[in-house]
Formats: sequence, C-alpha cells, structure tokens
Amino acid sequence: GAVVSQHPSRVICKSGTSVKIECRSLDFQATTMFWYRQFPKQSLMLMATSNEGSKATYEQGVEKDKFLINHASLTLSTLTVTSAHPEDSSFYICSARGTPSNQPQHFGDGTRLSIL
Amino acid sequence: TQLLEQSPQFLSIQEGENLTVYCNSSSVFSSLQWYRQEPGEGPVLLVTVVTGGEVKKLKRLTFQFGDARKDSSLHITAAQPGDTGLYLCAGSQRYSSNTGKLIFGQGTTLQVKP
Repeated sequence: GAVVSQHPSRVICKSGTSVKIECRSLDFQATTMFWYRQFPKQSLMLMATSNEGSKATYEQGVEKDKFLINHASLTLSTLTVTSAHPEDSSFYICSARGTPSNQPQHFGDGTRLSIL
Repeated sequence: TQLLEQSPQFLSIQEGENLTVYCNSSSVFSSLQWYRQEPGEGPVLLVTVVTGGEVKKLKRLTFQFGDARKDSSLHITAAQPGDTGLYLCAGSQRYSSNTGKLIFGQGTTLQVKP
C-alpha cells in the first residue's frame, strides 16, 4: 500500500530554534499534502493544505509566517516551525494524496516536537 | 463550519464486549473514512465508505454509512485488547475546492481491558 515517510520522528530543541519536518510519499506522486497538529488524546487539526508547485492554503488561525510550508516536488513537502516556542510543542502529522481528489489520504507517523 | 460529531469520546470496556462509535453531521459527505491511531503513530486507514446505506466489514469491525450520507457508525464485536486505540472518522465533501480536505471527528479513545 501507499507509504508516507515523515522525518524526524522526534525533535527536542531550545526556544527560538527553527525546526524543519519532512514528509515524503515513497511510492506515489502526492499532488496534495496536508499538515495537521494533534494534542494528546484529541483529534487532528488541519493546519494547511499544500499543492505541488503552489502556495499553501492555511486554515483560519494558523500563522503562515510561523509555519512555513514548501511543496517543491510531487514527493516532498516540508513544514518549518520558525522561532519555535514551548507553546508550539505538539505532535505534527502530514498526509499525502494523489489524484483524483477522492483518493484517500495516507498519513505519516508524525513528529513529536518538544520545545524547551 | 462543517462539523462531524463523534461519540462517545472515551470508552473503556472489558474484553469480549461489543461497542458502537457514531459520527454524525448535518452536512452530506461524498465519502467517509475511518482511521485507527496508536500513540506516537499516524492514523491508519481502516475503511472508506462512499455509497449511502453501504455496509463494510473488516473481520470483527462493521462500518455503515447512513442512507443520506450524513452519518456513519463503527461497530466492534467481541472487542479485544488489541483493539485499543484512538478511532477517528473523517468526511470528505465533493465541493471542497478539489483538495479532498478531510473533516475529522473528535475521535474516540477506546480501551479494552483483558
């Protein structure tokens, strides 16, 4: 089945650091990738939708200058948390989908981000 | 705002018991997916239902899509400790700007005690 690889799986860093998370589709072309944030024992909150070669669409309340998304190829999207602070600590998950738009999303294994 | 109300949010049962999780909305969905997620991992797709009234079975799990495509249920028969996890329903609407964006329910944390 479709595989999505997310890296790193865990990051611990100091406040003020910028952190980049990668999301790769390993065996299909991901025309659209999604970035989610998840708090403990809660559901996934969509942060942004990214289409290859175009600017990401951010959900209401998500700071686009804080969470930079790049989707430069059909197999790679990156999320950069800029100048991270403790309140940015969370579980970040990406998903990827091919075409057409009714194809299911395949999820990565998430990145646990801890800001000290 | 489209909402997908999932219930119950927490469920703790004994091994061998049956349970049902519900997802309800006032909106129509073109498809609905059910996922299972374990701590520290991403959600894993269990099933996709697309036709009103559709019923799909996956071993001891039975998934149903409402006739009007506004609601869905997940029924687990004779639950086992290995069924423990977070269950998520997610709906897709046909006219969501062709992105296939999913609307997630709040999730159901299931604990099955041996």
